[in-house]
Amino acid sequence: RKEVEQDPGPFNVPEGATVAFNCTYSNSASQSFFWYRQDCRKEPKLLMSVYSSGNEDGRFTAQLNRASQYISLLIRDSKLSDSATYLCVVNNGSSYKLIFGSGTRLLVRP
Amino acid sequence: GAGVSQSPSNKVTEKGKDVELRCDPISGHTALYWYRQRLGQGLEFLIYFQGNSAPDKSGLPSDRFSAERTGESVSTLTIQRTQQEDSAVYLCASSLRFYRQGDHNEQFFGPGTRLTVL
Repeated sequence: RKEVEQDPGPFNVPEGATVAFNCTYSNSASQSFFWYRQDCRKEPKLLMSVYSSGNEDGRFTAQLNRASQYISLLIRDSKLSDSATYLCVVNNGSSYKLIFGSGTRLLVRP
Repeated sequence: GAGVSQSPSNKVTEKGKDVELRCDPISGHTALYWYRQRLGQGLEFLIYFQGNSAPDKSGLPSDRFSAERTGESVSTLTIQRTQQEDSAVYLCASSLRFYRQGDHNEQFFGPGTRLTVL
């Protein structure tokens, strides 16, 4: 089993749609959780950290379920500019190493 | 301010040659990471530097790979006797401070070096 698993997609949605991505992680000792965004042939950039109580940043909402070792990202009112690959990132247990999922690709069409 | 920079942006080399990749972290960032990303795949951790502490080299795939960092500045990743399977994008990231448990210390990535081994 991969340490961080994501549905690779692609998710192909129209502008304005709501889309949700899921991610599972294997190490129950993990403490830090993130969503990074990676555009084609570009470096990853932090989209948002994920906190235990869930958090929202504009159109983006992240949720964490420690019992199920599951993280989600919800994007509301999708924009064309949201087209990218979304990487689920978890630290390796109690260490500083970040484990990156392979990413979920999102395509937002006009 | 300036972000993380990497050079070269692209490198094409012949199998068996050595290559050296460079990373300039954000000024003041004490932690520096190297990752490898193969086409269509996630990032693989290679090595981590924290200040003057001994680096964590546990992610280096073979003894052909080595990296150095002088203090809290530039880092170089060297691949000796390159093989075709070394072809990938090599990404460097830096963060402001040493990771603490539960930390949400953002890693800032450079644009990467795309290595192609023929």
